[in-house]
Amino acid sequence: QSVLTQPPSVSAAPGQRVTISCSGSDSNIGNNYVSWYQQVPGAAPKLLIYDNDRRPSGIPDRFSGSKFDTSATLGITGLQTGDEADYYCGIWDYSLAHYVFGTGTKVTVL
Amino acid sequence: QVQFVESGGGVVKPGGSLRLSCAAAPFTFSAYYMSWIRQAPGQGLEWVSYISDSGRAIFYSDSVKGRFTISRDNSKNSLYLEMNSLRFDDTAVYYCVRDRAGRGAFDIWGEGTLVTVSS
Repeated sequence: QSVLTQPPSVSAAPGQRVTISCSGSDSNIGNNYVSWYQQVPGAAPKLLIYDNDRRPSGIPDRFSGSKFDTSATLGITGLQTGDEADYYCGIWDYSLAHYVFGTGTKVTVL
Repeated sequence: QVQFVESGGGVVKPGGSLRLSCAAAPFTFSAYYMSWIRQAPGQGLEWVSYISDSGRAIFYSDSVKGRFTISRDNSKNSLYLEMNSLRFDDTAVYYCVRDRAGRGAFDIWGEGTLVTVSS
């Protein structure tokens, strides 16, 4: 059972915006940097956001990250069919001395 | 282009052992923290183990501590995972992963190698 909670699924029509929440605690999100990963079916995960809100080279600005207190949020604007994937938040948890992933959220483009 | 080539996966009986290898190229392997992350069939991501650039700092998840050993050989640009006392719930795709800045942002992932524990 993960210490980071995400909604199981979100959906929206093409061109719309979705947000995915990641709820944690003081020992993880409250005191460290959040990353977000995208995993399309059959492929390895890909880093989308690091250090709470920074995008690696090549990641479009349709993807954004934010953090407040013990929660983080991934936003996707201009939703495309290619965005259908599973999305995971991830962070180092100081209390556990473990890296932890969120429960994962499946994004469906209607 | 940075990439990892993983090897060593396969089918093993419960209680058996396997050694996974990950060959990295072309980047300064010795400058990066590395991890193994796994994904059981149809399940989410699970972090397994973490090793610092020098190899002096090592961490394990509770589910593998005492059974798995992570190591690296910077002279060979290689990462390893020695897995002993394998259990059915160790069945997963195992990914070799680079931490971009030592802060838990995994920016380069291998294709993964499948480990199946089956009697």
